[in-house]
Amino acid sequence: SQTIHQWPATLVQPVGSPLSLECTVEGTSNPNLYWYRQAAGRGLQLLFYSVGIGQISSEVPQNLSASRPQDRQFILSSKKLLLSDSGFYLCAWSVLRAGGGETQYFGPGTRLLVL
Amino acid sequence: ILNVEQSPQSLHVQEGDSTNFTCSFPSSNFYALHWYRWETAKSPEALFVMTLNGDEKKKGRISATLNTKEGYSYLYIKGSQPEDSATYLCAFSGGATNKLIFGTGTLLAVQP
Repeated sequence: SQTIHQWPATLVQPVGSPLSLECTVEGTSNPNLYWYRQAAGRGLQLLFYSVGIGQISSEVPQNLSASRPQDRQFILSSKKLLLSDSGFYLCAWSVLRAGGGETQYFGPGTRLLVL
Repeated sequence: ILNVEQSPQSLHVQEGDSTNFTCSFPSSNFYALHWYRWETAKSPEALFVMTLNGDEKKKGRISATLNTKEGYSYLYIKGSQPEDSATYLCAFSGGATNKLIFGTGTLLAVQP
């Protein structure tokens, strides 16, 4: 069966510090991978998605970047965190299938607080 | 900009009550509509995915309907239980894409 891991679970970082959040998926090959953020009082916002190694699409302009160095690894990074980067970050995966609309399966999330 | 709206924002019901919430989405270029349940301290869990106008899906006491022509979906919970307390998210997929656009959710609290 497929499982998805995220770490760390919680993180408190000062403004201006770097960030690296990691997501790995087991039990599937060549998945679509996604990074979402839920800011306080808001819905899930898609930040990045990837259909393959080294292929990253950014959905919104922001202070963050993503990388996919391996098939089942997705990393969310920042060089200098802003207060507005605080939120709950979720990684998700879906089957890569032509046509789209596939169910996405979420990891446990990382709660980031930037002070 | 594609907008997915959910109502109400929050709902408090007594155990045993039946309840329903609404998800509104763009009626053009529709591909799929998803419902997720998000319990506190857990990951969002997929409930249903619906693709055809008139689709009805059921899972235990929870069911959902879909109207793609007018752009809405209803989620029903029959005989709510405290363990149903969660945020219920809907997500729209338009065109042949794997991207989902989420609503802000309906927070359901079921009091024993």
